[in-house]
Amino acid sequence: QVRLQESGPGLVRPSETLSLTCSVSGDSIKDYFWSWFRQPPGKGLEWIGHIYATASTSYNPSLKSRVTMSVDTSENQFSLNLTSVTAADAAMYFCGRGQPTSVWGQGILVTVSS
Amino acid sequence: EIVLTQSPGTLSLSPGERVTLSCRASQSVSRNYLAWYQQKPGQAPRLLIYGASSRATGIPDRFSGSGSGTDFTLTISRLEPEDFAVYYCQQYGRSPPNTFGQGTKLEIK
Repeated sequence: QVRLQESGPGLVRPSETLSLTCSVSGDSIKDYFWSWFRQPPGKGLEWIGHIYATASTSYNPSLKSRVTMSVDTSENQFSLNLTSVTAADAAMYFCGRGQPTSVWGQGILVTVSS
Repeated sequence: EIVLTQSPGTLSLSPGERVTLSCRASQSVSRNYLAWYQQKPGQAPRLLIYGASSRATGIPDRFSGSGSGTDFTLTISRLEPEDFAVYYCQQYGRSPPNTFGQGTKLEIK
């Protein structure tokens, strides 16, 4: 059974970098697209971007200047970095497998506050 | 960027009823790469339909998707209590970006 688990700090200070990792178990990260999404409290879903095992990436143009994704095949995990965060970046962040996304992590709530 | 507009925003229905949710795209969705997700409070989304009309693994056959081009629908033939949730459509054919509709909330009447 495939499982995805997000990890990282739940609190990030304004202007700093949000860094999250998604650990994959039960499947090889060498297949599929691996995606990040976010959802502000009470609002809808936003696709942040995805990465393939070859490290090929695609990002949402609205976030592209601040987003970097990477993959670590030896650890079977992939990561998200979002720079210069503001209050608008506070959200539940989800990682997922595939396009469309058939397997999701449980999500991690990120608050932006000083 | 393809904008997806879902309607209605909220629906109040009773268990046993049939419901059709709409998702309209601002331009044609490439290869009908349109998915539907269900999300319950405090949970991650769950993939229901992909490719506009194919049910994902383990999804009951009361859920069906149809449509092509710019107009898509999700039908639940007979509502069960566990179906009351928020439903999102997503296009993944013209990326970046993949885009989501704003969601339709299905609530118990």
